Amino acid sequence: DGGITQSPKYLFRKEGQNVTLSCEQNLNHDAMYWYRQDPGQGLRLIYYSQIVNDFQKGDIAEGYSVSREKKESFPLTVTSAQKNPTAFYLCASKPYRDPGELFFGEGSRLTVL
Amino acid sequence: AQTVTQSQPEMSVQEAETVTLSCTYDTSESNYYLFWYKQPPSRQMILVIRQEAYKQQNATENRFSVNFQKAAKSFSLKISDSQLGDTAMYFCAFMKPTGTASKLTFGTGTRLQVTL
Repeated sequence: DGGITQSPKYLFRKEGQNVTLSCEQNLNHDAMYWYRQDPGQGLRLIYYSQIVNDFQKGDIAEGYSVSREKKESFPLTVTSAQKNPTAFYLCASKPYRDPGELFFGEGSRLTVL
Repeated sequence: AQTVTQSQPEMSVQEAETVTLSCTYDTSESNYYLFWYKQPPSRQMILVIRQEAYKQQNATENRFSVNFQKAAKSFSLKISDSQLGDTAMYFCAFMKPTGTASKLTFGTGTRLQVTL
């Protein structure tokens, strides 16, 4: 079945460590997104990508980095510069044409110890 | 920049009853799309319903319908015959179409509890 796979589902890291969250989609979607979800704040956009080798910052990009070397993959690195990284992270993808809906993965929960 | 406001952090409804979740948004665009997403305890985001701003007719999907008031910038979700499985966080979202990588702006969500 087509879909979006995020891994790992749960991740613990120590302060000062970088961590990479994986996002893979087999929907042949062009656009991919990373959102962060915190209690009471809804979903906030971190980065998004329209095509391979191209990506743009969202509203809260500081302390994060991404790459888009393949159409199917859009990994997110949470760097040690991110001051409050504990959160739930959601990856999404979207087909080319509007108003294409966003399809979401099941999310990754990152906890910094 | 667009903003989406959901003023009801939590709501409760009895099974089989009807409930309406509110959403307002702010934009200067004339062409856009609005969505309601559901996030059950599993945390998987699921599209409930979608409305295109140029369509006057309110969208309906089975027990879910919207009341879209473009002039008032209001987009409420009505759930009829509520079921226990409707218990979830509900997010209203706005999309300005820009092509492939149109972005969704989300509200802060409404937690809906369906009770027996």
